[in-house]
Amino acid sequence: EAGVVQSPRYKIIEKKQPVAFWCNPISGHNTLYWYLQNLGQGPELLIRYENEEAVDDSQLPKDRFSAERLKGVDSTLKIQPAELGDSAVYLCASSLGGSTSGFYNEQFFGPGTRLTVL
Amino acid sequence: AQKVTQAQTEISVVEKEDVTLDCVYETRDTTYYLFWYKQPPSGELVFLIRRNSFDEQNEISGRYSWNFQKSTSSFNFTITASQVVDSAVYFCALSEAITGTSYGKLTFGQGTILTVHP
Repeated sequence: EAGVVQSPRYKIIEKKQPVAFWCNPISGHNTLYWYLQNLGQGPELLIRYENEEAVDDSQLPKDRFSAERLKGVDSTLKIQPAELGDSAVYLCASSLGGSTSGFYNEQFFGPGTRLTVL
Repeated sequence: AQKVTQAQTEISVVEKEDVTLDCVYETRDTTYYLFWYKQPPSGELVFLIRRNSFDEQNEISGRYSWNFQKSTSSFNFTITASQVVDSAVYFCALSEAITGTSYGKLTFGQGTILTVHP
């Protein structure tokens, strides 16, 4: 079974340019997460989707970040415009169930996209 | 608010030595989950273990063992007879909610870089 797929793996852009990251979760996983991992830090949640609904976007900087999961499967995270401080790894994870399941569902992580903003 | 602290930023050992990675957490909830993840140079977070707050039994899996002590809010991870392939960044994480908006939100520590020399 294929794992969580992310692309691109690496992206280098100049500041003020837009950038987008793509994630395809494990087949059948209805919950999708985007995390930000700064160098030397643990990941931090940006947004969580259950199917196509963004149920927790409280930590997403909405002035420049946006995300979508239109059909409840794959997802895109966008930054426009990018700033130097956005250089980080962007991780996507998915899990089989969500908040209505009543129990914890394991999160499976993709390899991440390493963004460098010059 | 929840918090996870990994006091050791970096640990360096020689192959076959035992090594313990410390993790201390803070939470106001009585129900929560604790995790350890491994992040090799490839970048993908690999799940190692999950414990819930009601299960304080220590666990052993091959060369890995975990010591969960609620009295000291600690969840330490020991690798016995370390190998070069164990070299990675290890993260301890906490999740408080199994329902609602904060479902599945993982709070990570800053990570411990483990280097095992041959």
